[in-house]
Amino acid sequence: NAGVTQTPKFQVLKTGQSMTLQCAQDMNHEYMSWYRQDPGMGLRLIHYSVGAGITDQGEVPNGYNVSRSTTEDFPLRLLSAAPSQTSVYFCASTTGDTYEQYFGPGTRLTVT
Amino acid sequence: AQSVTQLGSHVSVSEGALVLLRCNYSSSVPPYLFWYVQYPNQGLQLLLKYTTGATLVKGINGFEAEFKKSETSFHLTKPSAHMSDAAEYFCAVDNFNKFYFGSGTKLNVKP
Repeated sequence: NAGVTQTPKFQVLKTGQSMTLQCAQDMNHEYMSWYRQDPGMGLRLIHYSVGAGITDQGEVPNGYNVSRSTTEDFPLRLLSAAPSQTSVYFCASTTGDTYEQYFGPGTRLTVT
Repeated sequence: AQSVTQLGSHVSVSEGALVLLRCNYSSSVPPYLFWYVQYPNQGLQLLLKYTTGATLVKGINGFEAEFKKSETSFHLTKPSAHMSDAAEYFCAVDNFNKFYFGSGTKLNVKP
């Protein structure tokens, strides 16, 4: 199993550009989520999904969109990048029975 | 809303000394509780979790944590620190499929 994969590993955007961060898992987990990690703030939940076709907002959803058309994939879209979105983004999938989250390796995004 | 407080953004111990990382949470109902570890430039790895049952839970690498409902705490301990324990540690709660993380504690282990 590859676990949770994220692409790209690094990305630099200019203010106003849009992009999609990719996340995929091969563990057949229903629950997936996106976090951003900023120094001194831990991880903050952006959006999450409890299954294909179902998404909901987390703590910091503004400026981000998600969709979940398959169990495996959960992409995160930045609609119009802002410097405040400079961060490290982590995708995670969670087992439904043991509540264990498996994290991807992260995407380091810089918005100039 | 949930909140998770980790006291001490940096903790330094000597190799072989006790490790104690503190975590307090706010919740109106007993949540599920977790500790994760993050090594530099990596994702997070689950150390241990409490869902139901025994309040003292053991995890990987010799770590354990005790759920104390009366104190709303879930402190992480390890009897004897090893150099390889140097990392950042995060406490988290799960409340109805929403995970909330503390701000993290960086553990430094001195030789």
